[in-house]
Amino acid sequence: SQQGEEDPQALSIQEGENATMNCSYKTSINNLQWYRQNSGRGLVHLILIRSNEREKHSGRLRVTLDTSKKSSSLLITASRAADTASYFCATDTGRNTPLVFGKGTRLSVIA
Amino acid sequence: GAGVSQTPSNKVTEKGKYVELRCDPISGHTALYWYRQSLGQGPEFLIYFQGTGAADDSGLPNDRFFAVRPEGSVSTLKIQRTERGDSAVYLCASSLAGSNSPLHFGNGTRLTVT
Repeated sequence: SQQGEEDPQALSIQEGENATMNCSYKTSINNLQWYRQNSGRGLVHLILIRSNEREKHSGRLRVTLDTSKKSSSLLITASRAADTASYFCATDTGRNTPLVFGKGTRLSVIA
Repeated sequence: GAGVSQTPSNKVTEKGKYVELRCDPISGHTALYWYRQSLGQGPEFLIYFQGTGAADDSGLPNDRFFAVRPEGSVSTLKIQRTERGDSAVYLCASSLAGSNSPLHFGNGTRLTVT
């Protein structure tokens, strides 16, 4: 079963624009992580945000977490064609619980 | 350093056959995960190891699927009596401290059951 659900399912933007992807989940979480996957490749970790954190930054990435709404967002600023990929959120409910992924958002950045 | 390695990268097998998929995690990573991913979907959790033991195998779809990690390093996912519905990309990941730390994924094994 999948805990997280990303929105939108697909997003197409022009290079230089910002891209925002949202993730909603159902049960209380311990951590929430965002991953990126290029076609035909494995997933690459982007950011981990803990349940007691509200915002995190990494380069052009900004992640927010609202535990009261059970939602998170990933913002990619000044997007590049190389950002074209699928983006997944994943949550766990405790230290020895598995990481459960959503269905992902397919981002296309057009040069 | 070396990342997570999965072999083979592609496997084609006939319905009813037995297959083994191998995962070499990053050295020192105690946690190891198996996921299955179908086209256009997110990774579906199968099983999670801490050291040699399966901490959670609730994602294994049925008793045709089994995984081992006998020495706490390399893991093998075994599928008996394969069915066409087993066709997917099987992903392996490892991490230092379970879900409290980032997972490092291999590039997966694409399994096709004909």
